[in-house]
Amino acid sequence: DSGVTQTPKHLITATGQRVTLRCSPRSGDLSVYWYQQSLDQGLQFLIHYYNGEERAKGNILERFSAQQFPDLHSELNLSSLELGDSALYFCASGGQMNTEAFFGQGTRLTVV
Amino acid sequence: GENVEQHPSTLSVQEGDSAVIKCTYSDSASNYFPWYKQELGKRPQLIIDIRSNVGEKKDQRIAVTLNKTAKHFSLHITETQPEDSAVYFCAATNFGNEKLTFGTGTRLTIIP
Repeated sequence: DSGVTQTPKHLITATGQRVTLRCSPRSGDLSVYWYQQSLDQGLQFLIHYYNGEERAKGNILERFSAQQFPDLHSELNLSSLELGDSALYFCASGGQMNTEAFFGQGTRLTVV
Repeated sequence: GENVEQHPSTLSVQEGDSAVIKCTYSDSASNYFPWYKQELGKRPQLIIDIRSNVGEKKDQRIAVTLNKTAKHFSLHITETQPEDSAVYFCAATNFGNEKLTFGTGTRLTIIP
C-alpha cells in the first residue's frame, strides 16, 4: 500500500458525460501529480499541484481540469467524454524536495 | 521540456539470464532518475533510483548506471526470475521541476 488513495477504482460512463476522479495523497505530501495511461501505453503527465497551486501542466486537454483543495486532496474533472478518454488514470504524491512519486492504485475509466 | 526515450519496447529473456533496458534524456538539468515496475493491472512501483552525483547504484539483482555526459541511464537485472516479468518505466526530473517525465516503457517477459 503506497498510502495514496484513489476513488473510484472503476468508472463506466457514456460519451458526452462528466466525471470526477479523486485522489488523497500520502500524509504529509504536498504534491499531487495526475497521469493518464491508455491501453498498453506509457504514462502521460497531465498536471501537477503543489500545496494547492498548479505547478506544471502536460498534455492535458481543455476538457480536463483539476484542483487541489486545502486538505491537499485533488480532483481531476473530465468533461464531454469521448471514447478515446478511456484509460487508467493514476495520481501520485510526493513531498517537497522528495522527487520520489508514490502512485495510487488508479481509476479505470471506460467510456461507452 | 524534458524528453525521455526508452529502448527496447519489448524484451524476452531466458530465466536466469540478464536483462538491460536503456533510456536517454534530453534536459541536462535533470538530476534524478527513478525506475518503476508495473505489473499487469497494478500501479507503478519504484524499484530503484539514482541521483546525478553517482554513476552506479545496486540493490541485490538490480542495478542502475548513469552516464551524464552522454545523457543516458540503464537498468540491469541479473539472474532474472519469472516474477520480474512486468513493464518497466524509466523517468527523469530535476528537483526544481518536480515533474517526472517517463519513458514509453519496456515490456519484459521472462521465459521459464
